[in-house]
Amino acid sequence: SQTIHQWPATLVQPVGSPLSLECTVEGTSNPNLYWYRQAAGRGLQLLFYSVGIGQISSEVPQNLSASRPQDRQFILSSKKLLLSDSSFYLCAWSGEGDSYGYTFGSGTRLTVV
Amino acid sequence: DAKTTQPTSMDCAEGRAANLPCNHSTISGNEYVYWYRQIHSQGPQYIIHGLKNNETNEMASLIITEDRKSSTLILPHATLRDTAVYYCIVASGSARQLTFGSGTQLTVLP
Repeated sequence: SQTIHQWPATLVQPVGSPLSLECTVEGTSNPNLYWYRQAAGRGLQLLFYSVGIGQISSEVPQNLSASRPQDRQFILSSKKLLLSDSSFYLCAWSGEGDSYGYTFGSGTRLTVV
Repeated sequence: DAKTTQPTSMDCAEGRAANLPCNHSTISGNEYVYWYRQIHSQGPQYIIHGLKNNETNEMASLIITEDRKSSTLILPHATLRDTAVYYCIVASGSARQLTFGSGTQLTVLP
């Protein structure tokens, strides 16, 4: 069966520090991968999605970047965190042509101090 | 550009059926109706989806009107653990992006 792993669950980072959040999927190949962000009390905002290794589409220009170095690995990064980057970050995957939509990871709650 | 309209919040008594409506008047012929829910501080969870016909699984039932312009998610016997934000989304079956709106905050009351 397919599983998605996202870590860490919580993270507190100082302003100006770098960020690296990792997401991996098991039990499937060539998944579509996604990074979402959700501010407190708000809806989900799509940040990046990837349909293959090295293929990244950005939905919202900002202080973040994404990379997909391996088929089932998706990384969200920042060189210098801002206070406004504090949020709940979610990774998700879907199969190619899969009408069941997404399976989400458990999320990372990032607090920038 | 919101494709769906849902009430902001709803209450339901424990043990009763919870009926969550969703309007999607601009839905295209190849678009499915998906329902997800998000319990506080967790990732969204897939519930059910449908194209034209009504659907039922172990979690819920989905009733889609004949003109497909609206649908209702039914939780037949709501429990306190069903308290969550419920999202109704329309997208094609091969959609590479699902756009989440504000959803409906369902509160199941004891």
